[in-house]
Amino acid sequence: AQSVAQPEDQVNVAEGNPLTVKCTYSVSGNPYLFWYVQYPNRGLQFLLKYITGDNLVKGSYGFEAEFNKSQTSFHLKKPSALVSDSALYFCAVKGYGQNFVFGPGTRLSVLP
Amino acid sequence: DARVTQTPRDKVTEMGQEVTMRCQPILGHNTVFWYRQTMMQGLELLAYFRNRAPLDDSGMPKDRFSAEMPDATLATLKIQPSEPRDSAVYFCASGLGDSEAFFGQGTRLTVV
Repeated sequence: AQSVAQPEDQVNVAEGNPLTVKCTYSVSGNPYLFWYVQYPNRGLQFLLKYITGDNLVKGSYGFEAEFNKSQTSFHLKKPSALVSDSALYFCAVKGYGQNFVFGPGTRLSVLP
Repeated sequence: DARVTQTPRDKVTEMGQEVTMRCQPILGHNTVFWYRQTMMQGLELLAYFRNRAPLDDSGMPKDRFSAEMPDATLATLKIQPSEPRDSAVYFCASGLGDSEAFFGQGTRLTVV
């Protein structure tokens, strides 16, 4: 069975500081990994994905994520946080031909 | 700008009434997902279609919920009869194969 854990309900970071939102996963076979962001009263927006290839993937709005197979992790990072990055972030995993399984979400607050 | 379109955006109905939510996937996408989002349960998969065939509806209460794809441009989610515990935001998403899914803006359902 597929599963995703986001160990932090809330992450607070000062504007300009680096941010990390953590994600670990469990899936049979090779994982397809995704990060999404949700702003209030909006749908989920795709940020980035790992399918294969380079372990460091770059996505929208300056975000990047690092795939670590041995630790089964896919942490989301950004070198310098903006107040406008404050939102709810979801990690998701899917196996080949399977549906998406989403984590519980992490609320990111970037403080001015 | 291709996007997933969901209607209605908001729906208030009385307990016992039938509710129909509609989704227009992005043209050319062959996977469609229905998710329900609540504060308590997070994002729950209700149904997953590939090439209009239902692949996974294990998360859907079968006695009152039904999901269909009459054609490639329309997916529907029906609740009959509706109950207050069905109050949530319902999201439709579409994708191509195992790549990322794109979400609609959601239907906020309130059952009173």
